[in-house]
Formats: sequence, C-alpha cells, structure tokens
Amino acid sequence: AQSVTQLDSQVPVFEEAPVELRCNYSSSVSVYLFWYVQYPNQGLQLLLKYLSGSTLVKGINGFEAEFNKSQTSFHLRKPSVHISDTAEYFCAVSNPLRDMRFGAGTRLTVKP
Amino acid sequence: NAGVTQTPKFQVLKTGQSMTLQCAQDMNHNSMYWYRQDPGMGLRLIYYSASEGTTDKGEVPNGYNVSRLNKREFSLRLESAAPSQTSVYFCASSEMSGSSHEQYFGPGTRLTVT
Repeated sequence: AQSVTQLDSQVPVFEEAPVELRCNYSSSVSVYLFWYVQYPNQGLQLLLKYLSGSTLVKGINGFEAEFNKSQTSFHLRKPSVHISDTAEYFCAVSNPLRDMRFGAGTRLTVKP
Repeated sequence: NAGVTQTPKFQVLKTGQSMTLQCAQDMNHNSMYWYRQDPGMGLRLIYYSASEGTTDKGEVPNGYNVSRLNKREFSLRLESAAPSQTSVYFCASSEMSGSSHEQYFGPGTRLTVT
C-alpha cells in the first residue's frame, strides 16, 4: 500500500517570500501524485497533479511541484507567496484504479 | 454544474443515535469516496465505490455503512454514533481514466457526537 509523509506540519512565511512544502511518498508500484489546497471551512481543491511525463508540474495560483522518483518526493513550491495563500495543503498519492492516500497536511501561514 | 454536493452541512447527534450523510455528484463520475478529516491526521478513507453497484472498505470503515444508490449518489450511514466519530466528513468523486485521476470534493459535513 502507498503512504504519504508531509515533513512540516506548519510553515510560517512572510508575504512575497518563496516557500517549499515537502512531501515524500512510498509505494511499490508507479503512482499518481497530487497537491490539494483547503481554505478554512471548505472542501479540497486540486492545485496540480503528476500522472506521467515532465517531472516539473505547474498548477494554479503560481504553484509548481517537482516529481523526483529516486528520492520519492513531490515538493510544492511558489516563488512569491501572498496573504491569500494562507491555507492547509495536502499531498496525496494514488495507484491507478485504487484509492488515494493523503498526508497529514501542512498549514501555510503567510504573514504581512 | 453543482459538482459534489453534501447534506447536511452541520449535525449534532447524541451517542447511540443514527444518521445518514448524503452525497451527490453531477459530473457522471464512476468512482465515489467518503473521507473523514481529523486535526493532524489528514483525510482518511472510510469507504469507496469504484463503480455503481460496488463498494469497498477503506482505512477506517468500522462503525459506518455505505450505499451506492445509483451513479450519482453515495450515502454514508452511522448506525450508532459514538463521540469518536466527531469529525468533518467529505465526499468526493473521480473518473479514474485517461488524463483525469483527481478527486473532486464536496464542501463537507461537520458532525459532533455528544
């Protein structure tokens, strides 16, 4: 079975600074990888996904992530964050045709 | 498109009471899922339905039952609620084919069991 570890439970950062949210996964087979964002009192929205092909994936709101198969990582990055990026971010992994497993989440707080 | 809808948005139950959480999707997806979200634990899969007529247990199925009523609707039932089931419940759907494997989530149901 696959599993996901998000290495930081909280990440505080100042506005306009760069940010990286770290995610490692384990699986014995090829997987699909996702990052979701959750704003307060809302459901999850897809930021970006990796299914195959280029290892650098661009998503919405200026976020991007890089799939590193040798390090089994899928870290999320943004070069300059805004106050509105304050939210909880979830990394997820799924096998084709199987269920999805989520990390515990990283709370990103952007300070003015 | 409404996407994934869930009812109710909030619910308070007493220990031992039963209730059903409703979920519907209008995206013609084959697969549907129920998760619970607890602080510091991310989302944990309760049950899923890969297609109409099938259901399977996820990570934390104890205390829950599900029904895939048709392609659109997937309900979650708590037969005898316990305080440990206090959580936020999310329904999701996905297509799981081609270039689309992401899940689409509803707004959630906040359940408190006293």
